[in-house]
Amino acid sequence: AQSVTQLDSHVSVSEGTPVLLRCNYSSSYSPSLFWYVQHPNKGLQLLLKYTSAATLVKGINGFEAEFKKSETSFHLTKPSAHMSDAAEYFCVVSYTGTASKLTFGTGTRLQVTL
Amino acid sequence: EAGVTQFPSHSVIEKGQTVTLRCDPISGHDNLYWYRRVMGKEIKFLLHFVKESKQDESGMPNNRFLAERTGGTYSTLKVQPAELEDSGVYFCASSPDRGRGGYTFGSGTRLTVV
Repeated sequence: AQSVTQLDSHVSVSEGTPVLLRCNYSSSYSPSLFWYVQHPNKGLQLLLKYTSAATLVKGINGFEAEFKKSETSFHLTKPSAHMSDAAEYFCVVSYTGTASKLTFGTGTRLQVTL
Repeated sequence: EAGVTQFPSHSVIEKGQTVTLRCDPISGHDNLYWYRRVMGKEIKFLLHFVKESKQDESGMPNNRFLAERTGGTYSTLKVQPAELEDSGVYFCASSPDRGRGGYTFGSGTRLTVV
């Protein structure tokens, strides 16, 4: 069965420092990978997606992620955190042949401090 | 374009009562999905509609849950009778093309069964 693992349930960074949110997925043919963000009392917003094109994917708000097949990873990064980045982040995978069903990681809550 | 709309945003009901959640997808999106996040767990797939037809309902937990999509427009998810373990946040998402162009999520309905 497909699965995705977010290695940290909570990450705390200072404003202006880099962000790294880690994600590993179970190996399978042609995964599509996504990062979603949920701010308090808001819906899930797509940050970026990988669908077998460039392995380095740029998303909104300065976020990017790199697809590394050899490591089955899709870590999310941002060079400089902003207070508005505080939210919960979800790594999500879907596979060809699963009728586009999404499998979510358990989420990483990002705290940004002054 | 208008986003995916879900209502109510919050619902508190007693065990044994019935609750109906509604989702209005983006106009023209044939694909509609329901997901659920129970406390402390990951977001899990419930079912997928293509227009008015159920494409995949493998995630529906039991027969107390009934989803419909009359006319291929809005969808309802009814829980009858509700149990304590049904508490959580129910998300709806829509897509024009099974996710290749992305999924748009609603803000969710927070259901509390007491």
